[in-house]
Amino acid sequence: EVQLVQSGAEVKKPGESLKISCKGSGYSFASYWIAWVRQMPGKGLEWMGIIYPGDSDTKYSPSFQGQVTISADKSISAAYLQWSSLKASDTAMYYCATNVFGPFDPWGQGTLVTVSS
Amino acid sequence: QSVLTQPPSASGTPGQRVTISCSGSSSNIGSNTVNWYQQLPGTAPKLLISSTNQRPSGFPDRFSGSKSGTSASLAISGLQSEDEADYYCVAWDDSLNGWVFGGGTKLTVL
Repeated sequence: EVQLVQSGAEVKKPGESLKISCKGSGYSFASYWIAWVRQMPGKGLEWMGIIYPGDSDTKYSPSFQGQVTISADKSISAAYLQWSSLKASDTAMYYCATNVFGPFDPWGQGTLVTVSS
Repeated sequence: QSVLTQPPSASGTPGQRVTISCSGSSSNIGSNTVNWYQQLPGTAPKLLISSTNQRPSGFPDRFSGSKSGTSASLAISGLQSEDEADYYCVAWDDSLNGWVFGGGTKLTVL
């Protein structure tokens, strides 16, 4: 079964760093891009960027360029989204998705990040 | 402000046909295919329509997609209570060199 499993919920303070993960299984992880999508509380979906694990080629949405870092380790079939200094406005659900069956299909279950002092 | 424009809400009664619009520009919908996603409350989105009008096997043929110029539409016929969800359109944007999402439409089954 093709599956993306994301790391668990996080509660952090402003200024702290964070790295969340998305692990793929059941397919050739290196051959399909992984996208990260943000959903702020009660809001819509926003594309953050994509990475091709095979060569780590990465594209960022202009809205997120410089705010986050997307990376991947194809040896362990994992992609990552990281922040060096979190803000309260980073509080959101973060989804990863790949394109095995179609664009953004399937999705991970989501990782809830809460940033509060 | 989303690059693709959707109505924030739509509604219908069981059995009715409902359409949800998605308006873009020549750099996204006008030159690329459109994808639609269904997000049930508290769950991750699921691909509903790909390549403007292709439906994955997991969804019934009550769901269909179309496109004309720089606008796309999702149609749901024979509306059912389980169709109550948020729906998003997505397309690649050649100018931004990235994916762009609509703001989402909350469908209510009355």
